[in-house]
Amino acid sequence: AQSVAQPEDQVNVAEGNPLTVKCTYSVSGNPYLFWYVQYPNRGLQFLLKYITGDNLVKGSYGFEAEFNKSQTSFHLKKPSALVSDSALYFCAVEAGGGNKLTFGTGTQLKVEL
Amino acid sequence: NAGVMQNPRHLVRRRGQEARLRCSPMKGHSHVYWYRQLPEEGLKFMVYLQKENIIDESGMPKERFSAEFPKEGPSILRIQQVVRGDSAAYFCASSPPQGRTYNEQFFGPGTRLTVL
Repeated sequence: AQSVAQPEDQVNVAEGNPLTVKCTYSVSGNPYLFWYVQYPNRGLQFLLKYITGDNLVKGSYGFEAEFNKSQTSFHLKKPSALVSDSALYFCAVEAGGGNKLTFGTGTQLKVEL
Repeated sequence: NAGVMQNPRHLVRRRGQEARLRCSPMKGHSHVYWYRQLPEEGLKFMVYLQKENIIDESGMPKERFSAEFPKEGPSILRIQQVVRGDSAAYFCASSPPQGRTYNEQFFGPGTRLTVL
């Protein structure tokens, strides 16, 4: 069975500072990893994915994530946070080619002035 | 290209009634997925469908829930005899057929079901 852990319910960052939202996963086989963002009362928006290739993946809105196989992690990062980045972030994994995403419980990011 | 459409956006039902949730995938997408988000939780996979076929329904409750994706028209998630525990946000996602590159799923805005 595949699983995702987002150890932090909430992350607070000052605008202009770098941010990291943590994600670790557990799968048998090669993982496909994703980050999505959810704004209040909205659906999920795709940010980025890791399928294969370079461990550092760049995505939308200046976000990036680093795949670390030895630590089974896929942390989301951004060099300089914006207040508008405040939202709920979900990490997800898919393995085995079944197209079934398993999501973490989400991390609420709050960026303050 | 319109995104994934879901309607209604909000649905209120009394216990024992039926709820029908509709999802129109993005143009060119033949794969549809349904997820449920309970309050304060992440999304849980329910069912994966292609046109006229259920591919994986391992996340569907055994009773009262059903899904279809007919040859013509939207995908429907149907909940019979709703109970308060069915109150949640139901999200639909779609993707094109998986080919050489893995295609991510695009999500709709969700239907928020409230059972009184």
